[in-house]
Amino acid sequence: DAGITQSPRHKVTETGTPVTLRCHQTENHRYMYWYRQDPGHGLRLIHYSYGVKDTDKGEVSDGYSVSRSKTEDFLLTLESATSSQTSVYFCAITPGVGNTIYFGEGSWLTVV
Amino acid sequence: QKEVEQNSGPLSVPEGAIASLNCTYSDRGSQSFFWYRQYSGKSPELIMFIYSNGDKEDGRFTAQLNKASQYVSLLIRDSQPSDSATYLCGSNDYKLSFGAGTTVTVRA
Repeated sequence: DAGITQSPRHKVTETGTPVTLRCHQTENHRYMYWYRQDPGHGLRLIHYSYGVKDTDKGEVSDGYSVSRSKTEDFLLTLESATSSQTSVYFCAITPGVGNTIYFGEGSWLTVV
Repeated sequence: QKEVEQNSGPLSVPEGAIASLNCTYSDRGSQSFFWYRQYSGKSPELIMFIYSNGDKEDGRFTAQLNKASQYVSLLIRDSQPSDSATYLCGSNDYKLSFGAGTTVTVRA
């Protein structure tokens, strides 16, 4: 299995609080991605990174920010969590286009 | 419009039958595609990539790519109850776009 871990795996937080999810890889892969998955929508890209300090928005980036200060870590931050951000969040990594994409085990976030 | 669309499903097939899943994409520049399988509560796992027009077979799975018509399909032959899962197709460009998924149930 690819060395990719997400933390926390489960979190319940209150509306308006900041939340940070961490994706950590030991594969030294260049590309890292954050997705959210909701019933009927599949995996929707939030943000992705193509290198240290190089990030770009995906299709559902509003309300989310990311940072990648080291190759191995990609952080997803909800500045002020809302109930609509209740979801399962998956991190993914790949060495490059055309290569296998490896997924983390997911982070279940509930905003109450 | 999503870059990758999966409109079929949910799909229910009897054990031993062929399950057929379809996907269309909008970007003619997309070069390669993949199919992932996801069991409930788990992360997606790769079934196969496909790069070239035509068919690619791997065991009971056959992926088909038609670049002229911009669709990708997956056939699951001799479906088993263990194939019951959600299947995700996507384009393997730098943004890794996924379809919404098709949930397959194989009835014993």
